[in-house]
Amino acid sequence: NAGVTQTPKFRVLKTGQSMTLLCAQDMNHEYMYWYRQDPGMGLRLIHYSVGEGTTAKGEVPDGYNVSRLKKQNFLLGLESAAPSQTSVYFCASLKRGGTGEQFFGPGTRLTVL
Amino acid sequence: GENVEQHPSTLSVQEGDSAVIKCTYSDSASNYFPWYKQELGKRPQLIIDIRSNVGEKKDQRIAVTLNKTAKHFSLHITETQPEDSAVYFCAAYYTSGTYKYIFGTGTRLKVLA
Repeated sequence: NAGVTQTPKFRVLKTGQSMTLLCAQDMNHEYMYWYRQDPGMGLRLIHYSVGEGTTAKGEVPDGYNVSRLKKQNFLLGLESAAPSQTSVYFCASLKRGGTGEQFFGPGTRLTVL
Repeated sequence: GENVEQHPSTLSVQEGDSAVIKCTYSDSASNYFPWYKQELGKRPQLIIDIRSNVGEKKDQRIAVTLNKTAKHFSLHITETQPEDSAVYFCAAYYTSGTYKYIFGTGTRLKVLA
């Protein structure tokens, strides 16, 4: 099992460009999350999903959109990137009613110039 | 809303000494309390967890204690080693079907050789 994977690992964007980060999990987990982590900071929840076809806003959703068309994939989109979105993005998944452990992807390091 | 307070934000100890990190949670429904370790440039990974029906759990040099009445839980690392240097996050979660996974703000532990 690959667990949680993220694509790409690194990306550099110019201000105003758009991109999509892909998160995939092969554990059949119902819940998926997108976090951002700024240098020396904690994890801030951007958006989450409790199942296929459903998404909801987290703590810092502005400037991001998400989609969960398939249970195993959770996409995070930046429509018009800004330097303030320079961060490391982590995806995570969690099995509803499971042990409670949240499984993280390896992260995507995004720089917006 | 629900939150988890974590202290201290940074902690420096001499190699071989003990380290203690403390968290306080607000949601009395929480019944699962994990601790994640994040090494530099890596993803957070679960190192130990405790459920609300247990007061203490130990795994080699690490232990977690829980005081449900006071809504406190703590991570104890004994005989610290340089490889224990990392950021540690506590979290609180209610395993019966909710998505809400509340992380603490993190503690940067430095073990000085």
